[in-house]
Amino acid sequence: NAGVTQTPKFRILKIGQSMTLQCTQDMNHNYMYWYRQDPGMGLKLIYYSVGAGITDKGEVPNGYNVSRSTTEDFPLRLELAAPSQTSVYFCASSYSAGELFFGEGSRLTVL
Amino acid sequence: KNQVEQSPQSLIILEGKNCTLQCNYTVSPFSNLRWYKQDTGRGPVSLTIMTFSENTKSNGRYTATLDADTKQSSLHITASQLSDSASYICVVRGENTGNQFYFGTGTSLTVIP
Repeated sequence: NAGVTQTPKFRILKIGQSMTLQCTQDMNHNYMYWYRQDPGMGLKLIYYSVGAGITDKGEVPNGYNVSRSTTEDFPLRLELAAPSQTSVYFCASSYSAGELFFGEGSRLTVL
Repeated sequence: KNQVEQSPQSLIILEGKNCTLQCNYTVSPFSNLRWYKQDTGRGPVSLTIMTFSENTKSNGRYTATLDADTKQSSLHITASQLSDSASYICVVRGENTGNQFYFGTGTSLTVIP
């Protein structure tokens, strides 16, 4: 099992550009999450999903969008990138609200 | 307000020495508490889970304790190794908080030879 796979690992965007961070998991977990991690701060929840077709906002959803068309995939869309979105993004999955399994992270820089 | 605070923020120890990391939380009602290890440039990985009824749990050289009355947890690392250098994150889940996990800011541990 590959676990949780995120792509890309690194990306540099210009202000105003858009992009999608991909996340896929092969553990048949129903719950999936997107977090951002800024230096010196705890992980902050952007969006989460409790199953295919169901998504909900987390603590810091502004500037992001998600979709969950399948159990495996949970892409995160950044529209009109801003410098404040420079961060490390982690996708995670879990069976119900149990142990979180994280991807390796995607480091995004907006210039 | 539900919060998780960790101390110290950073710690440097000699290889072979022991250390203890602290986690205080205000999340209520409490469901469980996990300690995660995050190596540099990697995603966090779960080390232990503590539920309300558990006081101590070990995972190799890692021992976690929980005092649900004082809302405190500790992670004790015995005979540290260079590979223990990482950030250790305390994560608390509340009983009625749905899908909300509360994350501490982590303790950065550096083990030097």
